[in-house]
Amino acid sequence: GESVGLHLPTLSVQEGDNSIINCAYSNSASDYFIWYKQESGKGPQFIIDIRSNMDKRQGQRVTVLLNKTVKHLSLQIAATQPGDSAVYFCAENPLGGNKLVFGAGTILRVKS
Amino acid sequence: DGGITQSPKYLFRKEGQNVTLSCEQNLNHDAMYWYRQDPGQGLRLIYYSQIVNDFQKGDIAEGYSVSREKKESFPLTVTSAQKNPTAFYLCAGRDNTNSPLHFGNGTRLTVT
Repeated sequence: GESVGLHLPTLSVQEGDNSIINCAYSNSASDYFIWYKQESGKGPQFIIDIRSNMDKRQGQRVTVLLNKTVKHLSLQIAATQPGDSAVYFCAENPLGGNKLVFGAGTILRVKS
Repeated sequence: DGGITQSPKYLFRKEGQNVTLSCEQNLNHDAMYWYRQDPGQGLRLIYYSQIVNDFQKGDIAEGYSVSREKKESFPLTVTSAQKNPTAFYLCAGRDNTNSPLHFGNGTRLTVT
């Protein structure tokens, strides 16, 4: 898809607070969703995934919520730490498709 | 260590020259992908390959070429026909459409 430009949304949180990063996906037929974290100068790193037959999945300090009714995905990070500062991308895989479609990303800044 | 290895990390070329970016994997992934990332933007798919000796164009294939002669390797050539080649290039692989992409750490190409 087309990129949305140079101004990524930014979320600033205080160290120790919880963070919620949101993503609106485009294809109602998508059946697999992934969150990635990308630090400056590095490749995206897998955080957590969820399939469309679930609406919540928890990992270590992270939770992904899926609302298929409104095509919305969120990533919750508990007790946010300075090392969590990065750009976060959501990605969707349309049912039967071979390609992941990435969102534009959200910058997370953690203030100490 | 297992992973996706991209080399070199930084690459500089003069306009009009073709350049090949290396991507090697030892994760036994069947599928491999090339993405382009521009500053402050998401990932755009250039090419992907689901099996040796086969590959498909992604969303922005013009000016690029790939080969998949062996499972472990998926090199990307940025040709002189690519109008804006300066970007961060990411290679990734995965087992199937129900698994996440694993990314390399990228090659930053600068063409002057």
